[in-house]
Amino acid sequence: DTEVTQTPKHLVMGMTNKKSLKCEQHMGHRAMYWYKQKAKKPPELMFVYSYEKLSINESVPSRFSPECPNSSLLNLHLHALQPEDSALYLCASSDESGGAGVTQYFGPGTRLTVL
Amino acid sequence: DQQVKQNSPSLSVQEGRISILNCDYTNSMFDYFLWYKKYPAEGPTFLISISSIKDKNEDGRFTVFLNKSAKHLSLHIVPSQPGDSAVYFCAASYGAGNQFYFGTGTSLTVIP
Repeated sequence: DTEVTQTPKHLVMGMTNKKSLKCEQHMGHRAMYWYKQKAKKPPELMFVYSYEKLSINESVPSRFSPECPNSSLLNLHLHALQPEDSALYLCASSDESGGAGVTQYFGPGTRLTVL
Repeated sequence: DQQVKQNSPSLSVQEGRISILNCDYTNSMFDYFLWYKKYPAEGPTFLISISSIKDKNEDGRFTVFLNKSAKHLSLHIVPSQPGDSAVYFCAASYGAGNQFYFGTGTSLTVIP
């Protein structure tokens, strides 16, 4: 089983709303990631959690707040977003955070629209 | 700084023929390379990978070749099928605790 699940599949929010994206994996992976992807662009890394600790934050604005409640779950809390934050948000997981033989598996994504 | 590059944004191939997607990288420390396939509005799906200790890895219709001296890898799809039409990303990583670096993607269209 190489499944990473994400909810919701679609989300429309106003600039004053607070919402959360959720990601779950049951592969026993110790690294989990949030990416942002715009159309026709590669996934852009936002955060990496390794063993439930934040290990990489790619200078993401504070209106995005990640949380890793346990090794299977990853949340992304959203507050006061801008229309330019509209994108496909992808969650991924891997055995470890990088290295030879480590494969990253992606969820289906949440399509976020900020009005 | 784009450490992984895919210089062809798009490629069209006839069904049944070979598709060759290329990827170049600049960081000689990369030791693991992956190819992903992505349909619109979906997450990337892992296709095939190769370790830097190998120069070829095969899985069914998909073969990845690695030329370390040229810092170049390629994905061959034989025979190409219409369902292969998607965007293909190559990615690279090195060491533990580091991120995966993605190329800019190549949009493959397989014409029936």
